[in-house]
Amino acid sequence: AAGVIQSPRHLIKEKRETATLKCYPIPRHDTVYWYQQGPGQDPQFLISFYEKMQSDKGSIPDRFSAQQFSDYHSELNMSSLELGDSALYFCASGGAVVGTQYFGPGTRLTVL
Amino acid sequence: DAKTTQPTSMDCAEGRAANLPCNHSTISGNEYVYWYRQIHSQGPQYIIHGLKNNETNEMASLIITEDRKSSTLILPHATLRDTAVYYCIVRVEEGGSYIPTFGRGTSLIVHP
Repeated sequence: AAGVIQSPRHLIKEKRETATLKCYPIPRHDTVYWYQQGPGQDPQFLISFYEKMQSDKGSIPDRFSAQQFSDYHSELNMSSLELGDSALYFCASGGAVVGTQYFGPGTRLTVL
Repeated sequence: DAKTTQPTSMDCAEGRAANLPCNHSTISGNEYVYWYRQIHSQGPQYIIHGLKNNETNEMASLIITEDRKSSTLILPHATLRDTAVYYCIVRVEEGGSYIPTFGRGTSLIVHP
């Protein structure tokens, strides 16, 4: 069965650079969620989209923005990167069952 | 103010049932309880969810107390591959958004 695809899987950036993470949800899923998981931490909800509109907003820094496109894929844009942004970033997609999420493999971002 | 409370760690013998409790005493009346697990740094995996009735699927059973303030995830015949961090998740309303809140999770170790 098709799963959530995230790209890139690994990304290394310098401080103050920008990064764009991409997420391709499971086909026919209309909801996308983004999470950040720091080293030794639990996943923290950043933001979600339903039918290309922002639906819920969590602890997403102002330096980050995200959107969902017409083909339902989503991108998380991160600017002015800081060392503390080094983390695993997970995308999850959801369909008809509210709140049920299927996670991708994550993007490991390292900021040097 | 923790939205969910789980034991930090538990262990279980292979082949025996693993019973993982979660306290969610502040859950609102129409919110579901979701259970996920995360193996090492992989994306969290959906297990099961419920509202007020007990639920069972091919992975696990979920027992929810009548007052909905706590629940127990049951893995009927634990295997070594069930070793993971198990998260009990509820959505919390904050500023008009519904935030999926992971909490600290229970590290389950299944031993031979």
